[in-house]
Amino acid sequence: NAGVTQTPKFRVLKTGQSMTLLCAQDMNHEYMYWYRQDPGMGLRLIHYSVGEGTTAKGEVPDGYNVSRLKKQNFLLGLESAAPSQTSVYFCASSLPGTRGYTFGSGTRLTVV
Amino acid sequence: DAKTTQPTSMDCAEGRAANLPCNHSTISGNEYVYWYRQIHSQGPQYIIHGLKNNETNEMASLIITEDRKSSTLILPHATLRDTAVYYCIVRGNSGYALNFGKGTSLLVTP
Repeated sequence: NAGVTQTPKFRVLKTGQSMTLLCAQDMNHEYMYWYRQDPGMGLRLIHYSVGEGTTAKGEVPDGYNVSRLKKQNFLLGLESAAPSQTSVYFCASSLPGTRGYTFGSGTRLTVV
Repeated sequence: DAKTTQPTSMDCAEGRAANLPCNHSTISGNEYVYWYRQIHSQGPQYIIHGLKNNETNEMASLIITEDRKSSTLILPHATLRDTAVYYCIVRGNSGYALNFGKGTSLLVTP
């Protein structure tokens, strides 16, 4: 049981390039989330999904798009990367209600 | 969701109990108290949560005051591997985001 798997683990992009971060979970969780973590800022919610085919904006959605075509996968896209998007990105999943979240190990993205 | 207040940092000797406090004086009746921790460079890890009763699992115990305005996470026998940032989060069962805040940096020393 792998839990939540994020790929890639590290990436360096040039300003203006695009990329997709993949999150996969094998726990049959309904809900999935993308967070970013910056030094001194804590984790901030980018986008989330409460089911296959549905997505919603979180606290800091600008510059990102997401898709949830399959229940087990949640993709985070950067169409035109900016240095301000240099961060550590965490994906998480959960069941509905009051259950705890399971987080992935993160993707370290640097935009130069 | 209610806001939480935690000390910035704490120390604990290995083998002793680590008691991490959290104030959430504006908590409402349907909001739960969650605890997560983040070991350096890793993803956050769920520890425990509760509504009003004390809770215990294999990782920790959660003590919530009767008025629910504060809580304490107890790691009964801290080890060096418990060194991490611990986040106290208050959240209702209809919300989606977890407001992690700054948390408490716990250092367990030999």
